[in-house]
Amino acid sequence: LAKTTQPISMDSYEGQEVNITCSHNNIATNDYITWYQQFPSQGPRFIIQGYKTKVTNEVASLFIPADRKSSTLSLPRVSLSDTAVYYCLVGSTGTASKLTFGTGTRLQVTL
Amino acid sequence: KAGVTQTPRYLIKTRGQQVTLSCSPISGHRSVSWYQQTPGQGLQFLFEYFSETQRNKGNFPGRFSGRQFSNSRSEMNVSTLELGDSALYLCASSLEQGSGYTFGSGTRLTVV
Repeated sequence: LAKTTQPISMDSYEGQEVNITCSHNNIATNDYITWYQQFPSQGPRFIIQGYKTKVTNEVASLFIPADRKSSTLSLPRVSLSDTAVYYCLVGSTGTASKLTFGTGTRLQVTL
Repeated sequence: KAGVTQTPRYLIKTRGQQVTLSCSPISGHRSVSWYQQTPGQGLQFLFEYFSETQRNKGNFPGRFSGRQFSNSRSEMNVSTLELGDSALYLCASSLEQGSGYTFGSGTRLTVV
């Protein structure tokens, strides 16, 4: 069962690139890495998912090194509306999957 | 298309009572999972259902149970409520297990 560790909080100015790293030393071979964003009183929102190397979509990039023991969510040019909690999730697509959420990183974006 | 719908949105119950929460997944999604979110413990996995079968269960007491119907809608039941059960209960659905999950807005349960 992969345990994840993230920084508790991060601060950034608007327009900067933000990188949030998640450690998952015990990741299993068939585990995927997924990142979610959560605003207060709302459910988490899917951002990006990857297995290895680099994945990019319209809102973020996900970097996964060869050993897959960590992953980095990169948010380009953040805005005030990106202030939220970001969760790293490691889980398998198999029937024995158990979903583990990280502690979450509270990102505060200011002017 | 409609997202994941959870009802009710807010609920206040008395200690010792039981409660049933409902989750309607996105049309076509067969996997439904439930989570408890509290300020102290963060997001914790409760259980996951796929095609009416419970596939996985988190580390919660037997007072927490759930089920999934043939239309993929799911219910979660908590019996003999305790003050510590006060939390935001989130439901998420996905096409397949382990793929990207879409979360509902949650049910805020307060036990007094």
